[in-house]
Amino acid sequence: DQQVKQNSPSLSVQEGRISILNCDYTNSMFDYFLWYKKYPAEGPTFLISISSIKDKNEDGRFTVFLNKSAKHLSLHIVPSQPGDSAVYFCAASRGNKLVFGAGTILRVKS
Amino acid sequence: GAGVSQSPSNKVTEKGKDVELRCDPISGHTALYWYRQRLGQGLEFLIYFQGNSAPDKSGLPSDRFSAERTGESVSTLTIQRTQQEDSAVYLCASSSDRSNNSPLHFGNGTRLTVT
Repeated sequence: DQQVKQNSPSLSVQEGRISILNCDYTNSMFDYFLWYKKYPAEGPTFLISISSIKDKNEDGRFTVFLNKSAKHLSLHIVPSQPGDSAVYFCAASRGNKLVFGAGTILRVKS
Repeated sequence: GAGVSQSPSNKVTEKGKDVELRCDPISGHTALYWYRQRLGQGLEFLIYFQGNSAPDKSGLPSDRFSAERTGESVSTLTIQRTQQEDSAVYLCASSSDRSNNSPLHFGNGTRLTVT
């Protein structure tokens, strides 16, 4: 039972354009959402998060949007840079356990 | 070191053998997690330790899997009688857990290959 789904396995974007990564969840009890970024042979690193009481959180080039009614969140990266090429994991939590999606491979072409 | 350290970084073992994976969390982090990532899949929760509380073992896939943690320091994940489906990257993470929403800090993982 996949509670967190990232339906796009990969995304390719031109440098300077916007990258939009999507994530859907099924458990309405989740109250905190995070995005992690992973380079090959490294562990995931925390990128940005959002509480369920908010619908938007921005940090530099990264913005996360939350639509609770649709159980959907998205990560916007603008402008995209080649160094952003990585696997992006969406995660959701209630309490101490994080549930991760399968990840989306982002390739930013220069 | 400043980050979460895992060893070994790679482990190749024969089917049926036991393996032990080690995790050194960030000093002062009370919460410690084990996840695994099979090829092409997301991170799968295995077990969670928080201070002296009983661990949350709800993600362990079978009784061949066990984990221990000494106080708020090192943790070991043991897989007995390994099977080929155990092949995965095993990731350890720690957090300060001052709130339930403290971000997890991951190690680089141990890539386990069962032949």
